[in-house]
Amino acid sequence: NAGVTQTPKFQVLKTGQSMTLQCAQDMNHEYMSWYRQDPGMGLRLIHYSVGAGITDQGEVPNGYNVSRSTTEDFPLRLLSAAPSQTSVYFCASSYRTPSQASYEQYFGPGTRLTVT
Amino acid sequence: GENVEQHPSTLSVQEGDSAVIKCTYSDSASNYFPWYKQELGKRPQLIIDIRSNVGEKKDQRIAVTLNKTAKHFSLHITETQPEDSAVYFCAAIRSGAGSYQLTFGKGTKLSVIP
Repeated sequence: NAGVTQTPKFQVLKTGQSMTLQCAQDMNHEYMSWYRQDPGMGLRLIHYSVGAGITDQGEVPNGYNVSRSTTEDFPLRLLSAAPSQTSVYFCASSYRTPSQASYEQYFGPGTRLTVT
Repeated sequence: GENVEQHPSTLSVQEGDSAVIKCTYSDSASNYFPWYKQELGKRPQLIIDIRSNVGEKKDQRIAVTLNKTAKHFSLHITETQPEDSAVYFCAAIRSGAGSYQLTFGKGTKLSVIP
């Protein structure tokens, strides 16, 4: 299994440009999430999905859209990039154990985005 | 929504000493508390977790304790080694039917001095 994959690894955008960060997982996990990581701010949840066709907002959703048409893919769209969106973006997938006791997050390698 | 506070933000210890990182959470409905380790330039990885119906869990040199009444949980690393140097994140999950939100603390940078 490749686990969670993200593309691209690095991206530079100009203010106002749009782009899509790709995320895919081959573990048949039901849950997928997008986080951004900024220095001193930890990991903040942008959007998440509990299954194909179902998405919801996290802590910092403004300026981002998501969709979940398949179990495997969960792309993150930046509608009109702003310098405040300069960050490292992590996609993660998770599953619920039969006992509903664990929700281990499997993170992708991250995308480092710079908006100038 | 949930708010997770993590202290300290930086921690330096001598090799062989113990390290303790503390987190508090605000939502009494949170029921799962993982800890992640992130080495420089790498992705976060789960190192230990605890459920709300358990008070303590150990895995070799790592332990986590949970006090539901006070709404705080702690990571304990004993006999620290240089390879323990990393940023550690605590998190809290409130899970339920159709809901799944994970809130992280801001992280603790642990430096183990040889």
